[in-house]
Amino acid sequence: RKEVEQDPGPFNVPEGATVAFNCTYSNSASQSFFWYRQDCRKEPKLLMSVYSSGNEDGRFTAQLNRASQYISLLIRDSKLSDSATYLCVVNYGGSQGNLIFGKGTKLSVKP
Amino acid sequence: ETGVTQSPTHLIKTRGQQVTLRCSSQSGHNTVSWYQQALGQGPQFIFQYYREEENGRGNFPPRFSGLQFPNYSSELNVNALELDDSALYLCASSLEGNGYTFGSGTRLTVV
Repeated sequence: RKEVEQDPGPFNVPEGATVAFNCTYSNSASQSFFWYRQDCRKEPKLLMSVYSSGNEDGRFTAQLNRASQYISLLIRDSKLSDSATYLCVVNYGGSQGNLIFGKGTKLSVKP
Repeated sequence: ETGVTQSPTHLIKTRGQQVTLRCSSQSGHNTVSWYQQALGQGPQFIFQYYREEENGRGNFPPRFSGLQFPNYSSELNVNALELDDSALYLCASSLEGNGYTFGSGTRLTVV
């Protein structure tokens, strides 16, 4: 079983749609959780951290369920510029921590 | 504040050759991690350097090796290149393993 698993893509949605991405992780020792965005042939960039209480940043809402080892990202009112690959990421934490990436889910927002 | 810079941006090597990739960490960061991202996959952790010592390693063979210098810049060396080593190699720097910033990567093609 992979450490971080994501919904298979691609997701093709019209502008204005709401889209949800799901992710599960296998290691209960994971301490930090993130969503990264990666544009084609570019480096990953941090979209947002994910907390148990849930957090929102404009049109983006992230949720963490530690009991189910499940992470989600909701994008409301999709824009053409949201088209990218979204990577679910966990970190075991501390100075020896490293980022464990999911395979990514590709989103294409169409006019 | 300068970000993470990687060189070269693109590289073509022949199977069996050796390659060295370079990374300058973001100012103030003392930890450098290297990732390999094959086409259509998420980044995979290779290893991490903290204060000039290897501080964690992923599932990569010994022909993948690295260095970190006193100024916290880093090198990734790959010996006996194989076709499957073709990938985007990403460097990420952080302070004590918190808040990773990625470079734009080196795209390596092995022919």
